[in-house]
Amino acid sequence: QITLKESGPTLVKPTQTLTLTCTFSGFSLNSNGVGVGWIRQPPGKALEWLAVIYWDDDKYFSPSLKTRLTITKDTSKDQVVLTLTNMDPVDTATYYCAHSAPAGGLFDYWGQGALVTVSS
Amino acid sequence: DIQMTQSPSSLSASIGDRVTIFCQASQDIGSYLTWFQQKPGKAPKLLIFLASNLETGVPSRFSGSGSGTDFTFTISSLQPEDIATYYCQHYDTLPWTFGQGTKVEIK
Repeated sequence: QITLKESGPTLVKPTQTLTLTCTFSGFSLNSNGVGVGWIRQPPGKALEWLAVIYWDDDKYFSPSLKTRLTITKDTSKDQVVLTLTNMDPVDTATYYCAHSAPAGGLFDYWGQGALVTVSS
Repeated sequence: DIQMTQSPSSLSASIGDRVTIFCQASQDIGSYLTWFQQKPGKAPKLLIFLASNLETGVPSRFSGSGSGTDFTFTISSLQPEDIATYYCQHYDTLPWTFGQGTKVEIK
């Protein structure tokens, strides 16, 4: 059974760096083709893909946020960490991590989401 | 980036009605399209992948079709538990993008 769960701060100040951790179980990020991605959703708005990291440490980012995003994995802890620098109120959103099937970009299992508010 | 345009943005239907949602890609994405269901306060749930393949455990009243740029999602007989927002997403070339969503309500 695949599960994922996001953790991190619920409130950050403008200009600060957001660090979110996705802790997963039921699969290994050492397995061929497997990835973990991040998707966010501002309140009342649509979903936006942010980043993905694969078993072989390949990483891909949304072009609009590429300069602000970092994604890393710790296979010994079954965790993926996303950082987003220079936070702004427009970054207020629920942040989801999701399992990416080997097809790439096919997000078949999602975490419950973590609401992050950016405010001074 | 490939733009995904969903229509309508919302709809109201009666229990038992057939409901259809459209998703158009700004360029050819083959069949690399998924459909998600999202209920308020919950994470999206994968319903359909590769445009027409039903995810395991998803009721057969849900279906998808299309290829290239034009796709359709159908609920053959709307049930009360289907009240949600539905999103399409392409996974052809990076960056992957989502449609703006279709909110389905009960009339």
